[in-house]
Amino acid sequence: AQKITQTQPGMFVQEKEAVTLDCTYDTSDPSYGLFWYKQPSSGEMIFLIYQGSYDQQNATEGRYSLNFQKARKSANLVISASQLGDSAMYFCAMREKISGSARQLTFGSGTQLTVLP
Amino acid sequence: DAGVTQSPTHLIKTRGQQVTLRCSPISGHKSVSWYQQVLGQGPQFIFQYYEKEERGRGNFPDRFSARQFPNYSSELNVNALLLGDSALYLCASSSPGQGSYEQYFGPGTRLTVT
Repeated sequence: AQKITQTQPGMFVQEKEAVTLDCTYDTSDPSYGLFWYKQPSSGEMIFLIYQGSYDQQNATEGRYSLNFQKARKSANLVISASQLGDSAMYFCAMREKISGSARQLTFGSGTQLTVLP
Repeated sequence: DAGVTQSPTHLIKTRGQQVTLRCSPISGHKSVSWYQQVLGQGPQFIFQYYEKEERGRGNFPDRFSARQFPNYSSELNVNALLLGDSALYLCASSSPGQGSYEQYFGPGTRLTVT
């Protein structure tokens, strides 16, 4: 079963506008974490933002914010004031416990964001 | 501080050959994870090592193996290469003491099997 679902294969946004990238997840573990990563064409995964399952407030990091709706199991990424350099693939990922302190990340299929000038 | 480093950056192998990929974690990080990212997909978890012990394994065949050394660097080995093993192999390091268990990724090794 798909644990992380990103339903938008591609998105376009005009420069300086805001954009929301969708992510839904499925887990029975009460303790989990949700991450968003940016992957430019170079291939490196760049950490953007993190939300823990017990965090009461939505996470924010500069122009990035995470709209966390626990009951709906969604963790959408909002990018404000888009810049041309934001064009990249964006992945939502969930941290799952393997055993003890071991953790793995399960990734969605990604959303290709293109910022238009 | 240096980030996660991986070598080589690119590699071309023939079906049936064996390959070894290397990863050096961020200084102080004792956990290393390996992921395979096939073109057009998200990364898939292969292994996690902590303190030289395997702590987790994804749904990959026994042709895939790994190990972690006393300095916490790691190697991923793939035997009897198949065309489907062509992918970007990502290494990530983390420190279990961090509350978010954030994983820091290296630039990856692009493996092409012909």
